[in-house]
Amino acid sequence: GENVEQHPSTLSVQEGDSAVIKCTYSDSASNYFPWYKQELGKGPQLIIDIRSNVGEKKDQRIAVTLNKTAKHFSLHITETQPEDSAVYFCAARVYNFNKFYFGSGTKLNVKP
Amino acid sequence: GAVVSQHPSRVICKSGTSVKIECRSLDFQATTMFWYRQFPKQSLMLMATSNEGSKATYEQGVEKDKFLINHASLTLSTLTVTSAHPEDSSFYICSASRQGYSNQPQHFGDGTRLSIL
Repeated sequence: GENVEQHPSTLSVQEGDSAVIKCTYSDSASNYFPWYKQELGKGPQLIIDIRSNVGEKKDQRIAVTLNKTAKHFSLHITETQPEDSAVYFCAARVYNFNKFYFGSGTKLNVKP
Repeated sequence: GAVVSQHPSRVICKSGTSVKIECRSLDFQATTMFWYRQFPKQSLMLMATSNEGSKATYEQGVEKDKFLINHASLTLSTLTVTSAHPEDSSFYICSASRQGYSNQPQHFGDGTRLSIL
């Protein structure tokens, strides 16, 4: 089955700096890659997603890039703010299977 | 955006009690809902896939008689933890996708913190 690895496990940045979180996947049949933000005591919230026919997607301060050849995708947050502090999860879904495989999570701490 | 409501948000009960958790998709129909368990500082562990009108599909190692799932309508799935014990204490989260498999994201509820004394 699919295996998603996520790095780093913790990331600390200064407010205003950029943050990058990276994920790799193993199954070349995966074609959908969402990113979730989870705040303490809450469920994960979808923040951005990308499909395999696209290499990059941007939504204000958040962007995601996908390299299908290398089987990795990354989340980029620019101009970080303290409210960006949370745990971020990447995920991958294999084509035609309604099941998501999650990375192990990255705890992002944005220092004011 | 899509909203998934999960209830209750927190349960504290005695060992041996059965606990029911509800997951509702508020503004869309969900043929499939998912139930996850999350331990502190860890990722989401898929327990089972709940299919409307049919039996749930359980992941390896998850006891189907312990974690009963019912998906009676396109907007409601329930998870019942039967005869709960302290080791069942955890954060349980449900999610739902819109009908169809065309790369729809999963939308998560806010989770249920279950504490068994």
